Amino acid sequence: AQTVTQSQPEMSVQEAETVTLSCTYDTSENNYYLFWYKQPPSRQMILVIRQEAYKQQNATENRFSVNFQKAAKSFSLKISDSQLGDTAMYFCAFMIDTGTASKLTFGTGTRLQVTL
Amino acid sequence: GAVVSQHPSRVICKSGTSVKIECRSLDFQATTMFWYRQFPKQSLMLMATSNEGSKATYEQGVEKDKFLINHASLTLSTLTVTSAHPEDSSFYICSARETGNSNQPQHFGDGTRLSIL
Repeated sequence: AQTVTQSQPEMSVQEAETVTLSCTYDTSENNYYLFWYKQPPSRQMILVIRQEAYKQQNATENRFSVNFQKAAKSFSLKISDSQLGDTAMYFCAFMIDTGTASKLTFGTGTRLQVTL
Repeated sequence: GAVVSQHPSRVICKSGTSVKIECRSLDFQATTMFWYRQFPKQSLMLMATSNEGSKATYEQGVEKDKFLINHASLTLSTLTVTSAHPEDSSFYICSARETGNSNQPQHFGDGTRLSIL
């Protein structure tokens, strides 16, 4: 079974600063997908970024980028130029492509607070 | 694109009532939808995978007779919490993946906050 670990229950960062959220996972599979989802106080789940394991290049989406270390099974999220609207729970998620029923496995989440 | 609508957003009802939650994919077809439960300050727990035209696949420990899932069309799945009790109070979220794109991310509804008095 796959597991996803987020070791930082809570983090805080000042506006305009950079913060990194950590995520590690455990799997014996070679081909898989990794995601970061954001859940603001409204509780809507918003996809932030995704990474295919077969790609060596780290994914980036504007201020969000990942550091994907396949050998170490690590998938950290870096948020640059933090904004107040980034305040949310962040969930790391893992998925193996098994067809239409491919399931997501979520980590326990990191609560990020962006302060003035 | 890829919008998932979940209704209702909030339900408050008496113990013993059955509650139906709808999950619709508005601009795409979804052979598979997923139902999650989230307790306060915790992660999402997958309850079941909803399959269009066939029986849902439930995760271990989830009562099939308690949480009835129907996926009658390619755009609609429903979760019915039967004879709800206070311990069923929670936040329920659905998600859907576009048919034919098994490696694409799931798109989530806005969730339903269920409170049983």
